Amino acid sequence: AQKITQTQPGMFVQEKEAVTLDCTYDTSDPSYGLFWYKQPSSGEMIFLIYQGSYDQQNATEGRYSLNFQKARKSANLVISASQLGDSAMYFCAMRESGAGGTSYGKLTFGQGTILTVHP
Amino acid sequence: GAVVSQHPSRVICKSGTSVKIECRSLDFQATTMFWYRQFPKQSLMLMATSNEGSKATYEQGVEKDKFLINHASLTLSTLTVTSAHPEDSSFYICSARWTGLNGYTFGSGTRLTVV
Repeated sequence: AQKITQTQPGMFVQEKEAVTLDCTYDTSDPSYGLFWYKQPSSGEMIFLIYQGSYDQQNATEGRYSLNFQKARKSANLVISASQLGDSAMYFCAMRESGAGGTSYGKLTFGQGTILTVHP
Repeated sequence: GAVVSQHPSRVICKSGTSVKIECRSLDFQATTMFWYRQFPKQSLMLMATSNEGSKATYEQGVEKDKFLINHASLTLSTLTVTSAHPEDSSFYICSARWTGLNGYTFGSGTRLTVV
C-alpha cells in the first residue's frame, strides 16, 4: 500500500495567488513526522516545513504552512503569495519511528507535484 | 550547518564500466546515510541505508552486488554502480540524518548517464 500519496501530478497557479498541494499518508505508527521538500530543476532537495504527529499546531514557515488533519491523515502544503521562483517539483515525505533496525528513520516520498507559477 | 557534499554532479560513462559517487558530511558526523534513485519527473526511491562501520541495508529489488555501498567513516559514504548499463542512467542522491529539526540533509545529486 502506498504510504504517501500526492494525487496532483501538476498544478498551476497565478503569481501572488495561494496554492494548496495535497498529501495523504498511511501509517499505524503513532509517532511519525511529515516533511515537505521543494526540488527545482537543478535537482537539489530544499527542506520547506516539518510537522510532527504530536504537534498540536499546524506548522508554518514564512509563506509555507502545513494544513495537518490527523484524523484524515492529510498534510497539505499551502503556499501563499506564489512567486515565479516557486515553480518546481514538490514532495511530501514521511518518517516513521518504526521499531528500529538499520533503516530506522528513512523517509518515504510521495509521487511529487509539479507546480508551475504563471506571471 | 549539516552540509553534505556529493560528487560528481554529473558523470557519463561507457556501458560495462563502474562509477563511484561520493557523499561527504562536511560539518557533522553522518552515522546513517540514505541513498536514493530518481527517474525524471518521478519520486525518490530509497535504494539502501548505510550505517558507519556496518553493511548497508538494501531495499527490496535493489541488487546489492550492482550497487555497492561503503560507509567506512563517519564523514564518507560511497555508492559504486558496477558494470553500468544504460538503464542505470538516473539521478542518484544521498541524504544523511542529523539532529536538526528538519532531520535530514541532502547531497546535491549525481546525474549518471550510461552510454
